[in-house]
Amino acid sequence: DAKTTQPNSMESNEEEPVHLPCNHSTISGTDYIHWYRQLPSQGPEYVIHGLTSNVNNRMASLAIAEDRKSSTLILHRATLRDAAVYYCILRDVNSGTYKYIFGTGTRLKVLA
Amino acid sequence: EPEVTQTPSHQVTQMGQEVILRCVPISNHLYFYWYRQILGQKVEFLVSFYNNEISEKSEIFDDQFSVERPDGSNFTLKIRSTKLEDSAMYFCASSFGQGSGNIQYFGAGTRLSVL
Repeated sequence: DAKTTQPNSMESNEEEPVHLPCNHSTISGTDYIHWYRQLPSQGPEYVIHGLTSNVNNRMASLAIAEDRKSSTLILHRATLRDAAVYYCILRDVNSGTYKYIFGTGTRLKVLA
Repeated sequence: EPEVTQTPSHQVTQMGQEVILRCVPISNHLYFYWYRQILGQKVEFLVSFYNNEISEKSEIFDDQFSVERPDGSNFTLKIRSTKLEDSAMYFCASSFGQGSGNIQYFGAGTRLSVL
């Protein structure tokens, strides 16, 4: 699986938007970009995923660069409950592998 | 909203004992997974299971580990003879399919403490 690079940590103020970046310069054409988050003492939680186009759901938006070498997870209004580790994961559906490979992610701290 | 359920939430065992961690995947899902996370470390893939057989496993998943779907609803991970280094959070996950649109949904985990 292609490698992703994320900042170790970020801070945001409550009620403000948060942009969490992910670099994946070696992404292949069939790699989907998945975002998960892990709240303290919880299992990973699906946030959003996409291939080429920007995606929106009730939790977040995913902005994918035109060359697909980077993406940004956008939380439109951070709340204290959004404090978590956010993982950007590439998944090649043609690779024949079922697993997610988690990196160290970005630890998001939300300040009240 | 459907969810993956894991029991127990915390399991304490003595080294050398067998443990069985239990999971109830989302009901219409067909693919099942176990991951683990040692305290302070990354989430690591252990095994995936489909159609009553292992479809992929990591090098962590050695002969001490086994998985089973004993009935239509449960999915279990057995560790035959626990070691201290097996202490970790174990997460079960399930997905309907394996392709791009199929997301793995994770349970809250079982914390295994081996003494």
